[in-house]
Amino acid sequence: NAGVTQTPKFQVLKTGQSMTLQCAQDMNHEYMSWYRQDPGMGLRLIHYSVGAGITDQGEVPNGYNVSRSTTEDFPLRLLSAAPSQTSVYFCASSRGTKTYEQYFGPGTRLTVT
Amino acid sequence: AQKVTQAQTEISVVEKEDVTLDCVYETRDTTYYLFWYKQPPSGELVFLIRRNSFDEQNEISGRYSWNFQKSTSSFNFTITASQVVDSAVYFCALTEYGNKLVFGAGTILRVKS
Repeated sequence: NAGVTQTPKFQVLKTGQSMTLQCAQDMNHEYMSWYRQDPGMGLRLIHYSVGAGITDQGEVPNGYNVSRSTTEDFPLRLLSAAPSQTSVYFCASSRGTKTYEQYFGPGTRLTVT
Repeated sequence: AQKVTQAQTEISVVEKEDVTLDCVYETRDTTYYLFWYKQPPSGELVFLIRRNSFDEQNEISGRYSWNFQKSTSSFNFTITASQVVDSAVYFCALTEYGNKLVFGAGTILRVKS
């Protein structure tokens, strides 16, 4: 099992550009989430999904879109990048139901100039 | 609303010292889950422990132990005989269900040889 994989590992964007952060898991997990990590703030939930075709907003959803067409994949789209979106992005998955620990991907470090 | 407070921003200890990382949480729900994650310098997030709100037993795993006290809304983490490899950022997190983890700001632990 590869677990949770994320691509790319690093990305630099210019203000206004768009891009998609990729996330995939091979554990057949129902739940998938996207978090951003900023210094001194821990991780904050952006969007999450409880299964294919179902997504919902987390704490900081503005400027981001998600979709979940398959169980395995959960891409995060930045529509028009802003410097405030400079952060480290983590994707996570969990079995849901009674098992709640989330398994995190290695992260994507995004810089918006 | 849920909230997790890790008041210790950074702790420095000398190897073999014991160290306790504090975590205080707020929630209105009677059913919730608490977690600790470790983020070593390499950046990945490593799951350490999950505790549900109905289980107040303390847990010990090797040099790690956790003290869960509902009366004080605390879930503290103690490392006994710290080692340099314990140097990392440690996050406490809370969820009522599934995806929506609420993280504390994290505590940076530096263990010096």
